[in-house]
Amino acid sequence: AQKITQTQPGMFVQEKEAVTLDCTYDTSDQSYGLFWYKQPSSGEMIFLIYQGSYDEQNATEGRYSLNFQKARKSANLVISASQLGDSAMYFCAMRCSSNTGKLIFGQGTTLQVKP
Amino acid sequence: DTAVSQTPKYLVTQMGNDKSIKCEQNLGHDTMYWYKQDSKKFLKIMFSYNNKELIINETVPNRFSPKSPDKAHLNLHINSLELGDSAVYFCASSQGTRLNTEAFFGQGTRLTVV
Repeated sequence: AQKITQTQPGMFVQEKEAVTLDCTYDTSDQSYGLFWYKQPSSGEMIFLIYQGSYDEQNATEGRYSLNFQKARKSANLVISASQLGDSAMYFCAMRCSSNTGKLIFGQGTTLQVKP
Repeated sequence: DTAVSQTPKYLVTQMGNDKSIKCEQNLGHDTMYWYKQDSKKFLKIMFSYNNKELIINETVPNRFSPKSPDKAHLNLHINSLELGDSAVYFCASSQGTRLNTEAFFGQGTRLTVV
């Protein structure tokens, strides 16, 4: 079965500190892609970062980086230098080669940045 | 310009009614999706169209019927609405279904059935 698990329902971080949001995945496909999306309180879904299963280096996009550990089937999102505007819900998602393009989402993690 | 736009943003309706949600994308993408986000914020795929052809049809009651008149539009019609249909419905689009293709989401339609 293809599944994404985010075990942290809620996280707090102090402004300007780094935070790691956990994501583990399960698939028997050899080819897959992992995504992180941000959903602020306004409700829209914002793409943050992508990691392919064959990518040898961890993906980075500005203050976002992905700690990809293939053997452990984890794809944790690291946000450096947290800002108040980072307060939102974060979703990890997976697209597998066998599932015609659909994204499978985790339960989400709510992040609150404290001033 | 909004890349993926959905109308309406909010929809409140009574049980038993029929309603439609419209979605349009101006990104030139060939694949469009409907996702449902329930009250616990869980997002799940409902349907996907590629070049107007239905390619994903998850286990969704047949009261839900998607229609794609062209590649830029994907509408969702819901018959005989039930209380459990209350959710946020997101339209999304992508250029193909390759693994590394990000999906762009609309702002969502909050449907409340009373």
